[in-house]
Amino acid sequence: GQSLEQPSEVTAVEGAIVQINCTYQTSGFYGLSWYQQHDGGAPTFLSYNGLDGLEETGRFSSFLSRSDSYGYLLLQELQMKDSASYFCAGWMDSSYKLIFGSGTRLLVRP
Amino acid sequence: GAVVSQHPSRVICKSGTSVKIECRSLDFQATTMFWYRQFPKQSLMLMATSNEGSKATYEQGVEKDKFLINHASLTLSTLTVTSAHPEDSSFYICSARQLQGSIHEQYFGPGTRLTVT
Repeated sequence: GQSLEQPSEVTAVEGAIVQINCTYQTSGFYGLSWYQQHDGGAPTFLSYNGLDGLEETGRFSSFLSRSDSYGYLLLQELQMKDSASYFCAGWMDSSYKLIFGSGTRLLVRP
Repeated sequence: GAVVSQHPSRVICKSGTSVKIECRSLDFQATTMFWYRQFPKQSLMLMATSNEGSKATYEQGVEKDKFLINHASLTLSTLTVTSAHPEDSSFYICSARQLQGSIHEQYFGPGTRLTVT
């Protein structure tokens, strides 16, 4: 089967750094993306890892280790507007389908 | 940037009726569109993959006769929920992949909230 697991909820303080982990069990997987979704809204793209290692985009960074079937999203200098749900999503070989992880609800406190 | 629209944004229908949801790529051609369903506080679950000019490919457990998908052009895919029941109430989101884009780029529509009474 294909599954990507994330912690269900994370709480952090404004200005802090938070890491959201994603572990996966799947075959035929070739890359990992991260999406942000505010309540009632569409997922918005944050980052993509096609290779092992760290990708940095502004306040967001994402990491992938294929050998460990593991990735994470790092959010720095947290702002109140970062309170949202975050999903890792795996790209499947051949079909190019995007399979979403279980999702993490991030709450940023003042 | 690439924009995907959905119509309607919200729809309420009575049990037993059918409702059609449109997904359009506004400024690019999409070879492939995907339909997802999301229940409250849950993840996005892929329902089907829609390729222009061919039959949709449905994920395991998704009834193809209930969720009719048509991808008649490179900019439009439609999802019709037939004989809707209250358990079909959900947030339906489409996404599209560009004809010439990178494989991993997928653009999401704003979603359609369906309520079946």
